Amino acid sequence: AQKITQTQPGMFVQEKEAVTLDCTYDTSDPSYGLFWYKQPSSGEMIFLIYQGSYDQQNATEGRYSLNFQKARKSANLVISASQLGDSAMYFCAMREGWTQGGSEKLVFGKGTKLTVNP
Amino acid sequence: ETGVTQSPTHLIKTRGQQVTLRCSSQSGHNTVSWYQQALGQGPQFIFQYYREEENGRGNFPPRFSGLQFPNYSSELNVNALELDDSALYLCASSLVQGLRETQYFGPGTRLLVL
Repeated sequence: AQKITQTQPGMFVQEKEAVTLDCTYDTSDPSYGLFWYKQPSSGEMIFLIYQGSYDQQNATEGRYSLNFQKARKSANLVISASQLGDSAMYFCAMREGWTQGGSEKLVFGKGTKLTVNP
Repeated sequence: ETGVTQSPTHLIKTRGQQVTLRCSSQSGHNTVSWYQQALGQGPQFIFQYYREEENGRGNFPPRFSGLQFPNYSSELNVNALELDDSALYLCASSLVQGLRETQYFGPGTRLLVL
């Protein structure tokens, strides 16, 4: 079974509008972290936002916010006031568990291609 | 800018050859992870090094190997290249700091195997 599911292969949004990118996850570990990355056509993965499983509040970073619904196992990314430069691939990723002296791997979804129209 | 660099940016090899990809981590980061991203897919975890020792491996054969050096640099070596090894290879560095460890990625190396 897929650990991370991104059901939207592509999304379109008008400049200055808000857009929500969906992500659902599957884990039985009570301790996990959820990440969103942006990947422009250049290839570099740019970290956007992090949500820990024990965090009481939804994460926010500037124009990015994470709509974390733990019971539904969803972690949707909301981008407010879209800009042309937001056009890129967006990946949701999960890390399960923590270890002392080392970190666990990231498991990525297949991504959503966002296109911002002028 | 993440402070993570990779070289070369692009590489063309033929089947059966060997390749070494390099990564320079962000200063102070003690962990480096390597990922393979095939066209149209999300990155897949290859392996991770922590303080110069392998600290976890994904579902990749032994012909994928790595090294991490004390100067925050690392290598990914792939022997006996196959056509399916054509992909974007990403390295990510991180500093373990409790629950909020974040991996910062380099720009990647695009490998084409002919």
